[in-house]
Amino acid sequence: NAGVTQTPKFQVLKTGQSMTLQCAQDMNHNSMYWYRQDPGMGLRLIYYSASEGTTDKGEVPNGYNVSRLNKREFSLRLESAAPSQTSVYFCASSLMGDRGYEQYFGPGTRLTVT
Amino acid sequence: AQSVSQHNHHVILSEAASLELGCNYSYGGTVNLFWYVQYPGQHLQLLLKYFSGDPLVKGIKGFEAEFIKSKFSFNLRKPSVQWSDTAEYFCAVNEDTGGFKTIFGAGTRLFVKA
Repeated sequence: NAGVTQTPKFQVLKTGQSMTLQCAQDMNHNSMYWYRQDPGMGLRLIYYSASEGTTDKGEVPNGYNVSRLNKREFSLRLESAAPSQTSVYFCASSLMGDRGYEQYFGPGTRLTVT
Repeated sequence: AQSVSQHNHHVILSEAASLELGCNYSYGGTVNLFWYVQYPGQHLQLLLKYFSGDPLVKGIKGFEAEFIKSKFSFNLRKPSVQWSDTAEYFCAVNEDTGGFKTIFGAGTRLFVKA
């Protein structure tokens, strides 16, 4: 089991460029999440997918879009990157989104926007 | 809106010292509570969680946490820390039913001196 995998690990973008962060899990989990981690702010939820075919906004969705491609894969797209989107991005999954099921995290993508 | 407060942002301890990291949350309903840990260069992983039942929960590596409902607190403890406990610790909360949005605290960086 690879768990949760993310690509790429590092990325540098210029302001205005677009990119897609990929995430996949092999644990047959129903729910998937995208977070960003900024110093002193913990993890903030960008978008989540409670189950295949559904997506919803989290705390900080502006400037991002997501696609739940199938049960395994959940991608995050930055259409026009801004310096404020410089962050570490984590994908996570859980068996179910509520009722106390823990989340399993990927290794993160460190994104710098210049 | 829910929020999670971690009182200490940086903690430095010597090996064998006792540890207590504070966590308070604001939400009036039934919650699930988590502590996650991020060791240097590694993924976030679950340390322990409270779902229901005994408010004193034990996790991996000798950690425990106590849920005190009247104080909206879920403090993490370890009687004797080791150098290998150097990591960042995150408290997290989600609502018990329909609570797909997990709210994370800002994190506490623990450094244990050998």
